[in-house]
Amino acid sequence: AQSVTQLDSHVSVSEGTPVLLRCNYSSSYSPSLFWYVQHPNKGLQLLLKYTSAATLVKGINGFEAEFKKSETSFHLTKPSAHMSDAAEYFCVVSDRGNTGNQFYFGTGTSLTVIP
Amino acid sequence: NAGVTQTPKFQVLKTGQSMTLQCAQDMNHEYMSWYRQDPGMGLRLIHYSVGAGITDQGEVPNGYNVSRSTTEDFPLRLLSAAPSQTSVYFCASSYHRGVETQYFGPGTRLLVL
Repeated sequence: AQSVTQLDSHVSVSEGTPVLLRCNYSSSYSPSLFWYVQHPNKGLQLLLKYTSAATLVKGINGFEAEFKKSETSFHLTKPSAHMSDAAEYFCVVSDRGNTGNQFYFGTGTSLTVIP
Repeated sequence: NAGVTQTPKFQVLKTGQSMTLQCAQDMNHEYMSWYRQDPGMGLRLIHYSVGAGITDQGEVPNGYNVSRSTTEDFPLRLLSAAPSQTSVYFCASSYHRGVETQYFGPGTRLLVL
């Protein structure tokens, strides 16, 4: 069965400091992994995705994530936080098996950026 | 392209009332789905469709019906609204079933009194 665990429900960083949002997954198959961002009262926007190509994935707005199969992790990072990064972030797994048409969402990490 | 659109943006219902949440996409996507978002629970799949005339249940289907008569539209029906259905509902679509990126609508905020 597939599942996603976002290890922190809330993360707070100062503007200009690095961001780390942690995600672990379980999957019976070779997974595809995504990070989505949701700004207040908005829909979800794709940040980046991993689909078995390069293990380091670069996304929009300076975010990147590294797929580590041995650790079953897909942590999201950014070198320097900006005020506009304050949002809810969701890690998502989708497998390539019979239920590949379903996405499994983590419970989300709320990122606060302190001026 | 308008992408994925949802109407209404906000709705208040009384317990027992019925209503339909509309979702449309203009990207010729085969796969469409409905999620509900509740605090601390992420997004949970209600129903999905892999093409016109084909629908299936997701994780939390009870109290909801769907149909897919056209590729573009995927309405979600609440048969008899309950306070437990107070939530934010998101419609999403992707080109094909599988692991394609899903595109999300802006959401419908529903309050059931």
